[in-house]
Parts: sequence; structure tokens; C-alpha cells
Amino acid sequence: DAGVTQSPTHLIKTRGQQVTLRCSPKSGHDTVSWYQQALGQGPQFIFQYYEEEERQRGNFPDRFSGHQFPNYSSELNVNALLLGDSALYLCASSLVAGRGQETQYFGPGTRLLVL
Amino acid sequence: DAKTTQPTSMDCAEGRAANLPCNHSTISGNEYVYWYRQIHSQGPQYIIHGLKNNETNEMASLIITEDRKSSTLILPHATLRDTAVYYCIVREENTPLVFGKGTRLSVIA
Repeated sequence: DAGVTQSPTHLIKTRGQQVTLRCSPKSGHDTVSWYQQALGQGPQFIFQYYEEEERQRGNFPDRFSGHQFPNYSSELNVNALLLGDSALYLCASSLVAGRGQETQYFGPGTRLLVL
Repeated sequence: DAKTTQPTSMDCAEGRAANLPCNHSTISGNEYVYWYRQIHSQGPQYIIHGLKNNETNEMASLIITEDRKSSTLILPHATLRDTAVYYCIVREENTPLVFGKGTRLSVIA
């Protein structure tokens, strides 16, 4: 049973560039959430996708956008990168809301460095 | 903001039980208590969650006080691989996880 996978594992970009990160959910899961974890901090919620729509969003600017595909995998896009976007980006998958308390399972993360 | 308070750090001898406390005095009736841990530079790992009753699984036990204002995560026989940051999170159904700073547990040989 494959867990949550993310690609790439590491990425280096320069300011102003755009980046796309990818996530495949755990088998049987249909909801994907994205979190940003700056060095020394706990993860912060960016947004959640369910049924190919953004369902919830945290306090992140519009430069952060996402997409969910029919196979439930998801992408996180960040435009106009800033130095402060350097962080570990985590994807978590879960089974859909409405069926009781859903537990989120995390992938290994993508470490993004913006120079 | 996180709705929980945890000690910044704790030490535990290898082979002994690790008891990690968490205060959540403002918890509401429909909020669950979740525990995750994060080993350096890896994604957070789900450990256990509960609403009112004590819970146990293959990883740990969760003890929730009767008034639900605090809880304790118990790792019965800590090993060096349990060294990690442990996060206690209270959460309503189907809402995002809000992480605080967690407790850095060091298991010492």
C-alpha cells in the first residue's frame, strides 16, 4: 500500500521564477492538503483540494495556487517566488469529509530553496 | 494560532515510558485531540487521535482527562528512533491541522 508521495524531493529556484510541486495521495484517499513549513516552525496550512476544487484555504497570497486531477493527485504552483518562500512543502492526503473524522497522512515533503 | 500548550523539550531514557503532556483548556465539545510527530526533515507522522475516551494503538496510548482540558501521549518503551518533535493538535472534524511548536523529545541511551 503506497503512502503519500511527493516530487521532486529538492528544488532550487531563483527569485521571480515559478515552481510546480506534485503529490500523489495514499491509496484510497481522495482529498489533498498542502502545508508550508519554514525552518524551525510547525507546518502551516495552505489549501485543500477535494473533487478537483479548492475547498479550504489558509492565509496565503494568490501566488499560491493548486490543482487536483481526476486521479486525486495534486499540484501546488507558486508564482513570482520570493526568498521567504524557501521552505519544506508538505502534502497530506485523507478520505473525504462527511464520513466522520478524517485523518491526514503526510508525504516526505519537497524542500524548496529560493536564491 | 495553535490551541494547545506543550513543553518545549523533554528527555527520556531509552526503554522507559515517555509521557508527553498537552494542555487544551479551551477545547470545544466537537474537537478531537490529534498527535503527530516529525523526525528531522521528514513529513509529520500520524500517531493517534481521540475525542473523549482513552485510545491505544501499536504506536502509543492517548490519555484524555475527564474534563478534556488536557491529555498525555504515552510511548510505552521509548527507543532512540522515537526522538522527534511531537505535536498535539485539537481540531474539529474536517478542518485543517494547526500546528504549534510541539515538544522536542530526546531519547537518551
